[in-house]
Amino acid sequence: GESVGLHLPTLSVQEGDNSIINCAYSNSASDYFIWYKQESGKGPQFIIDIRSNMDKRQGQRVTVLLNKTVKHLSLQIAATQPGDSAVYFCAENYRDTDKLIFGTGTRLQVFP
Amino acid sequence: DGGITQSPKYLFRKEGQNVTLSCEQNLNHDAMYWYRQDPGQGLRLIYYSQIVNDFQKGDIAEGYSVSREKKESFPLTVTSAQKNPTAFYLCASISGSKDEQFFGPGTRLTVL
Repeated sequence: GESVGLHLPTLSVQEGDNSIINCAYSNSASDYFIWYKQESGKGPQFIIDIRSNMDKRQGQRVTVLLNKTVKHLSLQIAATQPGDSAVYFCAENYRDTDKLIFGTGTRLQVFP
Repeated sequence: DGGITQSPKYLFRKEGQNVTLSCEQNLNHDAMYWYRQDPGQGLRLIYYSQIVNDFQKGDIAEGYSVSREKKESFPLTVTSAQKNPTAFYLCASISGSKDEQFFGPGTRLTVL
């Protein structure tokens, strides 16, 4: 069935390096995508979103890239810090609905 | 401060008992959502409500019930019919379509 998935369940990076977290989606009707960060025992926090009429969006230290041709979404974190350690989820929103479909998440581990 | 609150943070239940999880928001959001999260997994939609006195089943509604008598409140009842209720429950709200969902801090339910 339609789903949102992630390529890497765990990503380990050194402090100061850039991180790239990937997400594949299969529903070509999705037109809105969000990245969330979830720390242990807490609710997800919004990081950045992108609509299907864009292919790139930048925030503070984060960039989301959307490639609709191959149905791929990525989150880039610049100069990764220990505080970035968390599980990151991508979510897609099907056109004309208010439902978000979440992927299984990628755990980002930052080591000194 | 505006936001979403969930209570209690931790909840223990004996088998066969119903239990109600609270979710309140003062963001004046129309739509509210309940998700279930199991260890190492993504979020699965239980129920959602787009307007007062109306709600729809999500992907895993069996064994759960909700009500939406007030705009700011969307309580979730985990009934004895839910065979595996131990999980982390997250409530979210959204102001309009194609917008980020704001999440509460979650309630961790454990069945003894």
